Amino acid sequence: EAGVAQSPRYKIIEKRQSVAFWCNPISGHATLYWYQQILGQGPKLLIQFQNNGVVDDSQLPKDRFSAERLKGVDSTLKIQPAKLEDSAVYLCASSSGTANQPQHFGDGTRLSIL
Amino acid sequence: GENVEQHPSTLSVQEGDSAVIKCTYSDSASNYFPWYKQELGKRPQLIIDIRSNVGEKKDQRIAVTLNKTAKHFSLHITETQPEDSAVYFCAANGQGGKLIFGQGTELSVKP
Repeated sequence: EAGVAQSPRYKIIEKRQSVAFWCNPISGHATLYWYQQILGQGPKLLIQFQNNGVVDDSQLPKDRFSAERLKGVDSTLKIQPAKLEDSAVYLCASSSGTANQPQHFGDGTRLSIL
Repeated sequence: GENVEQHPSTLSVQEGDSAVIKCTYSDSASNYFPWYKQELGKRPQLIIDIRSNVGEKKDQRIAVTLNKTAKHFSLHITETQPEDSAVYFCAANGQGGKLIFGQGTELSVKP
């Protein structure tokens, strides 16, 4: 079974620029998560989708971050404008959607803000 | 709020020794506790998980124990090998199924 695919793997931008990340979950997985992992810390949930609906976006900085999952499969996460503190690895994960099923992670996108 | 505390932050053991990592969670409604292993620059990989209806689960050299009363759960690795060296994260499920992660433990296994 193919895993969670993410692109790009690395991105370097200057502050105040915009950036977008893409995620393709495991086939058939209804639930998709975006996590932010700052160096030396555990992943922190930014947003959770169930199919194409938002379940939890309470920790998403909505003034600069946005995400969508229009057809209930792929998802994009955007930052505009980026700040220095957004430097992190952005991880996408998916699960089958039923309660308490394992979440499988992609390789992440390492974002550096100059 | 939802919180998971993980200790120690770093752990160094000799090859063949055992390693134990401990976590405490705050939300009494949590009922799913996975452990992830993350090697440098790679994705977190699920190594074992436990649900609240059991107190212990084993998979070869890895075991996890859960004490719901105390809100503690622990990862035990026996007969450690150099390839076990990585950062280990515990997590507990929160509202809606999201995972709340601990701060991570950097395990170093010395040959």
